[in-house]
Amino acid sequence: GAVVSQHPSRVICKSGTSVKIECRSLDFQATTMFWYRQFPKQSLMLMATSNEGSKATYEQGVEKDKFLINHASLTLSTLTVTSAHPEDSSFYICSARDFLTDTQYFGPGTRLTVL
Amino acid sequence: QKEVEQNSGPLSVPEGAIASLNCTYSDRGSQSFFWYRQYSGKSPELIMSIYSNGDKEDGRFTAQLNKASQYVSLLIRDSQPSDSATYLCAVRRGKTSYDKVIFGPGTSLSVIP
Repeated sequence: GAVVSQHPSRVICKSGTSVKIECRSLDFQATTMFWYRQFPKQSLMLMATSNEGSKATYEQGVEKDKFLINHASLTLSTLTVTSAHPEDSSFYICSARDFLTDTQYFGPGTRLTVL
Repeated sequence: QKEVEQNSGPLSVPEGAIASLNCTYSDRGSQSFFWYRQYSGKSPELIMSIYSNGDKEDGRFTAQLNKASQYVSLLIRDSQPSDSATYLCAVRRGKTSYDKVIFGPGTSLSVIP
């Protein structure tokens, strides 16, 4: 199946710093990528939908100035958590849609811990 | 009413038994349905997709869709301890890039050796 990579897999940072997470589709072009957040023992929560070459669409309650999303190419999307705080600690997962197969594949996730 | 509903579980079945996971959705216009498996601390992985009413089988997994009842299920035959995970039902209205996939809360399955 298609592969989606995420980097880094785990990051620990101090409160107030910014963290960038990369998501890449390795063997297909993804015109649409999605960013999710998952807190322990809770379901996936969609944060934003990212379309290549255009601005991301954020879900209600997600601060677009805090969670900056860039989808500059058909294989790469980035999520930057700006001025991170302990409450931003979570499991961030990206997903990319392969239009040819109509399938959405998930990256392995990034576990963010803000001290 | 939530858009996609699942019993949270945990659902416990003995090894070798059939595990039955259920999901209901509220949007009658939904066209695409997916089952994902998520192990603890890992990201979801796609098990099956189904688009038409009826059954779709893939190995030990069978997905069942009934659009009239707005119901989709996943059967796991000959359950193994390695099947212990959270199973996420996901629903999408259409196939355009603007159609979001909505995930249910997941059902936790435990297969007892």
